[in-house]
Amino acid sequence: GNSVTQMEGPVTLSEEAFLTINCTYTATGYPSLFWYVQYPGEGLQLLLKATKADDKGSNKGFEATYRKETTSFHLEKGSVQVSDSAVYFCALRGGSNYKLTFGKGTLLTVNP
Amino acid sequence: DADVTQTPRNRITKTGKRIMLECSQTKGHDRMYWYRQDPGLGLRLIYYSFDVKDINKGEISDGYSVSRQAQAKFSLSLESAIPNQTALYFCATSDHRGHAYEQYFGPGTRLTVT
Repeated sequence: GNSVTQMEGPVTLSEEAFLTINCTYTATGYPSLFWYVQYPGEGLQLLLKATKADDKGSNKGFEATYRKETTSFHLEKGSVQVSDSAVYFCALRGGSNYKLTFGKGTLLTVNP
Repeated sequence: DADVTQTPRNRITKTGKRIMLECSQTKGHDRMYWYRQDPGLGLRLIYYSFDVKDINKGEISDGYSVSRQAQAKFSLSLESAIPNQTALYFCATSDHRGHAYEQYFGPGTRLTVT
């Protein structure tokens, strides 16, 4: 079946530091890949997506590239801000399957 | 106004009580989902519905039931609440059109069963 493995947190960074949150997946066919963000006390929001190999999703300074050869979709940001403090979830939707499979989430805390 | 709303936002109930969580959406999407979130476990799918007449179990449906009253409304019931159903519950919607089928989430309901 489908699965998503993302780096365990918590991750604590200083403002303006570089961020990488690793995500790897197992899926049949050609999944679509997503990063969702959950700010404190809120629901999940779609941060970015990629639907085929080598696609790069980007939003709000975050980027992730769909790497089929390494089955990875790592999230990166060049300079984090305090407002980026949140839980980040990697997810996939496999082939014709409606279902989203989520990683366990990574808590990011950015200190001023 | 929020596109996906959930009521209540917080609920404390006792073991054995029946409770209902409600979800409404104004996005015009046909598909709706209920998830629960537990610390360290991510989100797990409880039930999903592709339209008013289509209800399906997810990976952890035991102890839950749902009702799709209209395209815009999808309710989750706990027939007899137990403490291990204490969790954060999310409703989500998606549109069958389009390739990625991305899902849009409500703000969540924090449920505590004592």
